[in-house]
Amino acid sequence: QSALTQPASVSGSPAQSITISCTGTNIDVGGYNYVSWYQQYPGKAPKLLIYDVSKRPSGILNRFSGSKSGNTASLTISGLQAEDEADYYCSSYTTNSSWVFGGGTKLTVL
Amino acid sequence: EVQLVESGGGLVKPGESLRLSCVASGLIFSSSSMNWVRQTPGKGLEWVSSISSSGFFMYYGDSVRGRFTVSRDNANNSLYLQMSSLRAEDTAVYYCARGGTTMTVWGQGTLVSVSS
Repeated sequence: QSALTQPASVSGSPAQSITISCTGTNIDVGGYNYVSWYQQYPGKAPKLLIYDVSKRPSGILNRFSGSKSGNTASLTISGLQAEDEADYYCSSYTTNSSWVFGGGTKLTVL
Repeated sequence: EVQLVESGGGLVKPGESLRLSCVASGLIFSSSSMNWVRQTPGKGLEWVSSISSSGFFMYYGDSVRGRFTVSRDNANNSLYLQMSSLRAEDTAVYYCARGGTTMTVWGQGTLVSVSS
């Protein structure tokens, strides 16, 4: 169960858009449409942002969007705001009813 | 409001055992698949285990299979993780999370420290 690959850090200025990638294989990201994205602030539990590749739970702003192409999923945050500064993790369902997470990406709002 | 509250964490020595609990409220627990996910200090998330809504199906990550056992008590809206033969590398915050294909709601976590 190798972890999904995310960039360790990304940064952007307020009002800009950023994209975080999440690369897996054909047995996880590429094999299922069960990719999720989570936001985590220091000392807090992860919070679901995106599920099933591109769906937003109730209460999540449309500034957050998800997509997938082949073995790579992406999270895009548009209209970047200071409160978006956090860690972001992707996750995918994989074979044998297991899950795999990405290593996490630290977003800095400049 | 859906709420998950973990407990049972603490400091133990290598080789010892510990049992974590997670009590759920605000949801139909007996219809929910549940998961345990851990996060090592300063590091990323790692899926540990999942259990189906009935408790019939249980799944484990490679690093804990054979040492950890997940169970649930639907009558008391409770999820458990029995951890044995604990190792230093099991040191982490352990979260319970609701969901089948997506972990929709997470508890606040409980810290497990394994050290001699």
